[in-house]
Amino acid sequence: GAGVSQSPSNKVTEKGKDVELRCDPISGHTALYWYRQSLGQGLEFLIYFQGNSAPDKSGLPSDRFSAERTGGSVSTLTIQRTQQEDSAVYLCASSHLGRQDAGNTIYFGEGSWLTVV
Amino acid sequence: GQSLEQPSEVTAVEGAIVQINCTYQTSGFYGLSWYQQHDGGAPTFLSYNALDGLEETGRFSSFLSRSDSYGYLLLQELQMKDSASYFCAVSQLNTGFQKLVFGTGTRLLVSP
Repeated sequence: GAGVSQSPSNKVTEKGKDVELRCDPISGHTALYWYRQSLGQGLEFLIYFQGNSAPDKSGLPSDRFSAERTGGSVSTLTIQRTQQEDSAVYLCASSHLGRQDAGNTIYFGEGSWLTVV
Repeated sequence: GQSLEQPSEVTAVEGAIVQINCTYQTSGFYGLSWYQQHDGGAPTFLSYNALDGLEETGRFSSFLSRSDSYGYLLLQELQMKDSASYFCAVSQLNTGFQKLVFGTGTRLLVSP
């Protein structure tokens, strides 16, 4: 696709419910990232996938959070038993190469805005 | 672990020049990037430094000093549309592949 696509764009869920957020990266991009951004805050690293390598899960805040990437393309971030503090924008990004290349550009989607009530 | 520090907010007037500083502490440092984010929008890439020195891209320039673990973003001829949040981000080499970690961001307010 032309850019990183995320769905849903907005999600309101009740506390305790599970949610799934989807990311469709730019075609051909081998690296995929998930970040979380609370209102007015910075970007908090969650997880990073690179090709067929084991993902870097070091940023996942608790075991309620998990992510997978199927076929080296689409990724799903799952939050189980959601809590109010999970309310944030979840941003997905992708890049062409995991190794450093000129520009070091990663391309972000518009994000999934999650509200837990 | 890693940490990045930037000022939380900077104000300036149209036509002025503003510098946003970023200091970092990290292992496996590979490069420093800058991203711009308008309210409600996605972050977009501005500039990247892997080597010491200044990189210029139009009105925006970015500087890196690896020995000082310091960089800055310089915005010239400020325009109202430059009002946004600016994030520095370090690239960490982790098992041979990059991992991008962002600072907390600097909110730039440009006034007429």
